[in-house]
Amino acid sequence: SQQGEEDPQALSIQEGENATMNCSYKTSINNLQWYRQNSGRGLVHLILIRSNEREKHSGRLRVTLDTSKKSSSLLITASRAADTASYFCAVMDSSYKLIFGSGTRLLVRP
Amino acid sequence: ETGVTQSPTHLIKTRGQQVTLRCSSQSGHNTVSWYQQALGQGPQFIFQYYREEENGRGNFPPRFSGLQFPNYSSELNVNALELDDSALYLCASSLNTREKLFFGSGTQLSVL
Repeated sequence: SQQGEEDPQALSIQEGENATMNCSYKTSINNLQWYRQNSGRGLVHLILIRSNEREKHSGRLRVTLDTSKKSSSLLITASRAADTASYFCAVMDSSYKLIFGSGTRLLVRP
Repeated sequence: ETGVTQSPTHLIKTRGQQVTLRCSSQSGHNTVSWYQQALGQGPQFIFQYYREEENGRGNFPPRFSGLQFPNYSSELNVNALELDDSALYLCASSLNTREKLFFGSGTQLSVL
């Protein structure tokens, strides 16, 4: 069963706008990770945030983690057409299994 | 490029047959995880191998089995294939069990 659940399932924005995706999970975590997938092929790691961290940045990406609400968000600023992809959050549980959510499909219109 | 290679890239089998998928880990990685991804869904955890031992298993029946070799490459075997086994099978390696995953491009399995 899925651990992380992303919201929204699909998102369509104009190039230059910001995109925000949310992830909720159910149990205690070791860390939470975000991945990107193009065209149903291999996933690419974007960012890892540990349970004792609240915010991390990487280039145009910003991830927040609220362990009290069991939620995380991924913000992509100044989006580009090349950001079009599916984005997945993945929760590493106490047994160190990485469990993925169902993903957000992002479309950035030129 | 992640350095994780999977073979074959595509495979067509018929119901009841057996299949073996292969994965070569990135250099220096001792952990391999396997995932099944149905169309439009997120990857589902099958199992993980750490230093040649199974280190966790998802909700998959025993006909899904695996191996990890001394060079940390890995195989996923599926017996008695069913139509619902049609999916993209993803292999990922990592430095250890707690770090980020590096994925291969996957094997697309079609069961007819």
